[in-house]
Formats: sequence, structure tokens, C-alpha cells
Amino acid sequence: KAGVTQTPRYLIKTRGQQVTLSCSPISGHRSVSWYQQTPGQGLQFLFEYFSETQRNKGNFPGRFSGRQFSNSRSEMNVSTLELGDSALYLCASSLVTGHTGELFFGEGSRLTVL
Amino acid sequence: KNEVEQSPQNLTAQEGEFITINCSYSVGISALHWLQQHPGGGIVSLFMLSSGKKKHGRLIATINIQEKHSSLHITASHPRDSAVYICAVIIYAQKLVFGQGTRLTINP
Repeated sequence: KAGVTQTPRYLIKTRGQQVTLSCSPISGHRSVSWYQQTPGQGLQFLFEYFSETQRNKGNFPGRFSGRQFSNSRSEMNVSTLELGDSALYLCASSLVTGHTGELFFGEGSRLTVL
Repeated sequence: KNEVEQSPQNLTAQEGEFITINCSYSVGISALHWLQQHPGGGIVSLFMLSSGKKKHGRLIATINIQEKHSSLHITASHPRDSAVYICAVIIYAQKLVFGQGTRLTINP
């Protein structure tokens, strides 16, 4: 059974640009959640999608957005990149919404903003 | 003050020792996850629990919802257990809030 796949694994952008990250969940999983991990703030919840609907959202500015497609694949977008957006972005898939089931994490996308 | 506090932040032990990592939280939760993160970033879910105790191999997790406290125990620790252990609480089946992690190093 294939795991959670995140692409790209590494990317470098400059301030002001935008970036799109992709997450393909485990087959059959309808929940995809996104997290940001930085050395200073640790892991922080961005948002969760379930059956193409955003169910929950963390405390991030509107520059951070996401969507989920009918095949449960999800993308997150960060517009007008800032230096502080440099981080490891992780997604996790689950059978159920609300983080109430086992979470399966991808390897992450490491974003560097110059 | 963080909603989720882990202790200790760093722990170094010898192979074979019994390990305890603690997680305290200040908000009402519905359940809690224990996660393991190895160098390189990959995260593995160890347990999700809302009451009592769960055991998987050498790992044991306990939670006391009323006292707002959970512990992760590792028996007969091994160098391959070296990782960062993170607790994360589920607030009203909506948000997931993470502790800052405990970096565990097991020396042979």
C-alpha cells in the first residue's frame, strides 16, 4: 500500500514569489491535513480538508490556502512568500476527519525562501 | 504559556534504560497523539488515545484526561529509539496543537 506522497521534496523560492505544494494521500483516505514545522515555532496546524471541503483551519494568514480534489489529492499554496515561510511543510492523511484517526505523514516539502 | 508542554526537552540515556516522556496540556481535549520524528523529518504516528493506556511492543502510552496529563514510556530502550517524540492534542475534533517535542538519545 503506497504511503503519503509529497512533491516537491525540496524547493527554493525568493521573497514575493508564490509556491504550490502537493500531497497525495493513502488510497481511500479522504482527510488531508497540512502542517508547518520551523525550528522556532515547532509544528503548527495549517488546515484540514475532508471530501473536498476545508474542515478546520489554524492561525495562519490568508496567504496560506489550500484545496482538495475529488481524488483526495490536496495542494497548498503560499502567496507573496516571506523569509519566515522557510519551513518543512508536512501533510498527513487519515480515514476520518478532525484528527480523530491514525495520521499517516508524508516526508515533507522543505521550502527555502531567499 | 504554551497550551501543550512536554518534559524533558532533551533526554540522554543508556541502552536498556526505562524512559518516560511527559505531556501536560491546559485546554480541554478529546484525544491526544504521540508521534515520533526521525532525523530527516519523517513522522510516524505511535498512539492515539483518549483514556487509559495503550501498549505496542516496548512502547506504552497513558493518559489522564481529568489531570490533563499523558506519558509515553519506552521499556528496554535501544539506540534505534533515538528520535524526537511529540505529543499533539486534539481540541474539539478541530485543531491539532503540538508540544515542542522531546529529543531522546539512547547511547549503546
